[in-house]
Amino acid sequence: EDQVTQSPEALRLQEGESSSLNCSYTVSGLRGLFWYRQDPGKGPEFLFTLYSAGEEKEKERLKATLTKKESFLHITAPKPEDSATYLCAVQARGGGNKLTFGTGTQLKVEL
Amino acid sequence: DTAVSQTPKYLVTQMGNDKSIKCEQNLGHDTMYWYKQDSKKFLKIMFSYNNKELIINETVPNRFSPKSPDKAHLNLHINSLELGDSAVYFCASSQVQDSYQNIQYFGAGTRLSVL
Repeated sequence: EDQVTQSPEALRLQEGESSSLNCSYTVSGLRGLFWYRQDPGKGPEFLFTLYSAGEEKEKERLKATLTKKESFLHITAPKPEDSATYLCAVQARGGGNKLTFGTGTQLKVEL
Repeated sequence: DTAVSQTPKYLVTQMGNDKSIKCEQNLGHDTMYWYKQDSKKFLKIMFSYNNKELIINETVPNRFSPKSPDKAHLNLHINSLELGDSAVYFCASSQVQDSYQNIQYFGAGTRLSVL
């Protein structure tokens, strides 16, 4: 069974204090790894898809990386508006279009 | 113009009642999904439809019945509601055919509270 574990569960940063969120996964053949952002009271919003180990993608202050066992979401010089829950999900080969999600990391960036 | 829209946004009802949640997407996608997010924020897939055909049916009580009248709509009907059904239900859609990516776009959610 596919499994996704995210750490830490919660993270509090000062504005400008860079950090990384971790997503460890176990899947029978990775087809894709997805990062989403979820704000309170809203649905998840797509950020990145990574397909193979060594791949990296960037968007503003966010950078996602992928290895064969885990993915990191690096946040550089975060701002308060980066506060949200970040969700990681995997899609397995032969699993149809099913995404298996982790429980997320709740990030709060303070002034 | 909202890409994936769900109604209602909030639903408060008594145990034993039957209720429906509606979902519509205007992205032209061929696949739609229902997810359940529990109080610990864990998001778990329930169903997936591709061009009105059920393709994913996770271990969900048969009190839950999805219906897809066309590929732009996927509704969720729940019979005999129980306390444990209280959660946020999300609809999502993606383009699967002729697309290497499976980026799923989510609605804003329906918060169901069973009293």
